[in-house]
Amino acid sequence: GIQVEQSPPDLILQEGANSTLRCNFSDSVNNLQWFHQNPWGQLINLFYIPSGTKQNGRLSATTVATERYSLLYISSSQTTDSGVYFCAGTNKFYFGSGTKLNVKP
Amino acid sequence: NAGVTQTPKFRILKIGQSMTLQCTQDMNHNYMYWYRQDPGMGLKLIYYSVGAGITDKGEVPNGYNVSRSTTEDFPLRLELAAPSQTSVYFCASTGTEFWNTEAFFGQGTRLTVV
Repeated sequence: GIQVEQSPPDLILQEGANSTLRCNFSDSVNNLQWFHQNPWGQLINLFYIPSGTKQNGRLSATTVATERYSLLYISSSQTTDSGVYFCAGTNKFYFGSGTKLNVKP
Repeated sequence: NAGVTQTPKFRILKIGQSMTLQCTQDMNHNYMYWYRQDPGMGLKLIYYSVGAGITDKGEVPNGYNVSRSTTEDFPLRLELAAPSQTSVYFCASTGTEFWNTEAFFGQGTRLTVV
């Protein structure tokens, strides 16, 4: 099956810093989404982004479908951004193992 | 509009016991899904349903069963619980093809098998 790799696996930031999270797929993916799982375990859909770029406040995402990767940008990070970020795609519901983000005040 | 509701939130089972995890959505979504999440890992699909009366296996279906008698409900049944089924279980729904529209997740059920 399709492999989904996320990097980095762990990330520690000071509040206010910027970061880039990456998601690579082993094969073409046409329905990529990004999720945030907060420290209480709740999963929230951030972006449905099969291609191109989208922005929502301090978050933005870019998917280059032809090169099989997607990037999630977090600017001016806040402590509430802490948690695990997952990318997922394909109609077989593959999830990556996530990037655990810890934003320190 | 409650979204996706899972019950119970926590449960401890003894090896060999059975239980049903409940999932209800009030958004009239056709597609519903069950995932398990082991510590430090991503989500693995157990079963999914594309509408009432239609279910199919995901990546890790062994030890589980599902049914979909109504659009709203998608219960997950564990038979003969084993320690390997200790995990957090999430139910999700979406209106059409899962990855074409925004997915809504329940709050999760934390299950421990001892």
